[in-house]
Amino acid sequence: EDQVTQSPEALRLQEGESSSLNCSYTVSGLRGLFWYRQDPGKGPEFLFTLYSAGEEKEKERLKATLTKKESFLHITAPKPEDSATYLCAVQADSVGGADGLTFGKGTHLIIQP
Amino acid sequence: DVKVTQSSRYLVKRTGEKVFLECVQDMDHENMFWYRQDPGLGLRLIYFSYDVKMKEKGDIPEGYSVSREKKERFSLILESASTNQTSMYLCASSSPYHFSGVHYGYTFGSGTRLTVV
Repeated sequence: EDQVTQSPEALRLQEGESSSLNCSYTVSGLRGLFWYRQDPGKGPEFLFTLYSAGEEKEKERLKATLTKKESFLHITAPKPEDSATYLCAVQADSVGGADGLTFGKGTHLIIQP
Repeated sequence: DVKVTQSSRYLVKRTGEKVFLECVQDMDHENMFWYRQDPGLGLRLIYFSYDVKMKEKGDIPEGYSVSREKKERFSLILESASTNQTSMYLCASSSPYHFSGVHYGYTFGSGTRLTVV
């Protein structure tokens, strides 16, 4: 069974204080690892897809990296508008027909001014 | 610029009622999904569809059914609503993997918060 574990569950940072969110996964064969951002009362918003160990993707203050067992979302010099819940999800090779994802429970990030 | 539209943001229904949640996407995506999201449990897949009139059970299909008569529309049906189905319901769509394996992720709707009393 595919599993995704995110840590920490919640993280409070000061504005400008860089940090990393962790996503550990077990999957029969990784087809892709996804990061999403979710604001309160809204649906998740796609950020990145990573496919193989060693891959990195960047978007503004966010950088996602991937190893064979985990992914990190690095947040550099965050601003209050980066406050959100960040979700990690994996897609396994074994899923046929459509691309169902298995999600972690998310990290609730708060950036204080 | 809304691409996945869920018909209701908030719904309150009574136990035993038949409930329909509607989702429409305008991106010509083949794949559509219904998830529910609960505190402490995260997102869980209820059903998905990869083509018109096709449906597959996800991880928690019990108590739900779906309908996909047109490519752009995917409906979630609660045959007899129960209080344990109180949740946030999220619809999503995606295009299939391209031959090069590039995937651009899901596009989610804004969600329907359903309360069953």
